[in-house]
Amino acid sequence: DSGVTQTPKHLITATGQRVTLRCSPRSGDLSVYWYQQSLDQGLQFLIQYYNGEERAKGNILERFSAQQFPDLHSELNLSSLELGDSALYFCASSPDGGRNTEAFFGQGTRLTVV
Amino acid sequence: QKEVEQDPGPLSVPEGAIVSLNCTYSNSAFQYFMWYRQYSRKGPELLMYTYSSGNKEDGRFTAQVDKSSKYISLFIRDSQPSDSATYLCAMSGNNRLAFGKGNQVVVIP
Repeated sequence: DSGVTQTPKHLITATGQRVTLRCSPRSGDLSVYWYQQSLDQGLQFLIQYYNGEERAKGNILERFSAQQFPDLHSELNLSSLELGDSALYFCASSPDGGRNTEAFFGQGTRLTVV
Repeated sequence: QKEVEQDPGPLSVPEGAIVSLNCTYSNSAFQYFMWYRQYSRKGPELLMYTYSSGNKEDGRFTAQVDKSSKYISLFIRDSQPSDSATYLCAMSGNNRLAFGKGNQVVVIP
């Protein structure tokens, strides 16, 4: 158990809908990363937050947004969902801002858009 | 050139063989190098963590880093069927954390 908790584990929704994925980082970790992993792709970095502020942005679509709350949990919001958004979404946390330390992953949320 | 390059494989080896995986990178700011193992699309778990050039051994696993060539490797000795998984390299530095695409390894009994 990495100590990173993601909910829900599975999500099935229809195209055009909006969903929210939740991540609770390891106790004491300030930084949260979101990644997308499609069937044929590796881990695609979406966005990173550090202590409530956006730290880095990757290949995140405009339809997607995220935030990190004062208690350090993070939410990833996906809207106007398309079939191609079906993927595993992973959250990872690290003690600091990703400044040269390893990250620990949650078990992921499997999103299926039908 | 991608920041981190990792040949996705797959790689099939017989049980007991040595598995050799590698990644190249382009960002000189990377100082910390990691290998993650991912089973059946579950969350990746940290396997090895090294800093700077050199070797690090942990049981049957050896991680090598050659910063001058921007090349890292993972060796698995006496491979077991339970080693069948996807292995991802990762590296960090200067507030960047980047992953390779992952290399699927199948160890055949």
